[in-house]
Amino acid sequence: QQQVRQSSQSLTVWEGETAILNCSYENSAFDYFPWYQQFPGEGPALLIAIRSVSDKKEDGRFTIFFNKREKNLSLHIKDSQPGDSATYFCAASVGYNQGKLIFGQGTKLSIKP
Amino acid sequence: NSKVIQTPRYLVKGQGQKAKMRCIPEKGHPVVFWYQQNKNNEFKFLINFQNQEVLQQIDMTEKRFSAECPSNSPCSLEIQSSEAGDSALYLCASSLGQGWETLYFGSGTRLTVL
Repeated sequence: QQQVRQSSQSLTVWEGETAILNCSYENSAFDYFPWYQQFPGEGPALLIAIRSVSDKKEDGRFTIFFNKREKNLSLHIKDSQPGDSATYFCAASVGYNQGKLIFGQGTKLSIKP
Repeated sequence: NSKVIQTPRYLVKGQGQKAKMRCIPEKGHPVVFWYQQNKNNEFKFLINFQNQEVLQQIDMTEKRFSAECPSNSPCSLEIQSSEAGDSALYLCASSLGQGWETLYFGSGTRLTVL
């Protein structure tokens, strides 16, 4: 049973466009949602995260939109750059529990110059 | 930048052999996690520690895997008798253990079981 689901395995956008990566989840107890970025040969690195008490979190070119009622969230990458080409993982946890993360299966993002 | 150090980067073992990998967590992080990432990018939580004590582990970990985080030594994950299905990227992560926080991952050990 996939508790965290990412709707696209891959996504290609042109340089300068906004890339939108979607994620949904099943467990209502999840209250912390980080997005991780992973380049080939490296471990995942935290990009941006949101708690369920917020509906939006912005950090530079990266924004998370969160819809608690619908149990979904999206990562928007504005002004996409070739260096943003990577695999992006949506994850979820029950934060107060030092929770282990439940990861989605990732979206491989390619930015065309 | 993460300072979680994992060794070795690559590990090749035959079926039935032991496979051992190590992790030095970020300084000051008492909580250490081990995850398995397979070729389909699926992450599987294996075990986590706070200081030297196991917090949670899955059934698979109890049966064929052993892990420890001794004080003043690297953490380790060992597969007692490797199987082909164990071929994966093993990721170590550490955190402050205060909830709603970042997990810092190492670059992983890629295990291939022939």
